[in-house]
Amino acid sequence: SAVISQKPSRDICQRGTSLTIQCQVDSQVTMMFWYRQQPGQSLTLIATANQGSEATYESGFVIDKFPISRPNLTFSTLTVSNMSPEDSSIYLCSVHGQGFPEAFFGQGTRLTVV
Amino acid sequence: DAKTTQPPSMDCAEGRAANLPCNHSTISGNEYVYWYRQIHSQGPQYIIHGLKNNETNEMASLIITEDRKSSTLILPHATLRDTAVYYCIVRVPGSSNTGKLIFGQGTTLQVKP
Repeated sequence: SAVISQKPSRDICQRGTSLTIQCQVDSQVTMMFWYRQQPGQSLTLIATANQGSEATYESGFVIDKFPISRPNLTFSTLTVSNMSPEDSSIYLCSVHGQGFPEAFFGQGTRLTVV
Repeated sequence: DAKTTQPPSMDCAEGRAANLPCNHSTISGNEYVYWYRQIHSQGPQYIIHGLKNNETNEMASLIITEDRKSSTLILPHATLRDTAVYYCIVRVPGSSNTGKLIFGQGTTLQVKP
């Protein structure tokens, strides 16, 4: 299995500011995934982060709004930029462990924008 | 990845079996059926997966119909801690989209005492 640590677990931010969320994995993984879960909704994939290359964004998500870094095989960050109340969501990091058929998730970052 | 359809909500009495259905009529031959659950305020948790044979582990059983167009997740003795949103997902493991999951709305299971 893979153990994922996300920081911060929650935050309350002012509109117009940015927040960087960190995701640390206890083993090396090729791809890391970032999801958003808006209140009362299911999870939506934001982007896939590969080490050594630019992240691949899903439709409706852009790099200027959600820049992602992937400096090594165990770490990634997601920044939510120029936040508005509509960005209030839970943001989750996920990985697919080497040799395991299932995906593992962090506990999420609960973001509230006021 | 194929799309899945699940009932939005279900109730189950504590101690009884919970049977959660999922329709995936457009599933491809190499796509597996995965089940995850999300307990309130936590990240999704893997439960079980299968291709065409029935599968069982310490958490649950997965029954897949012969035509693979639907499946049922069975929690044999539901407890209050099984109250969660259950997601049925179909995907090809080890594909270029490894780890990428397309979540539907899932089924909210309420286990009642």
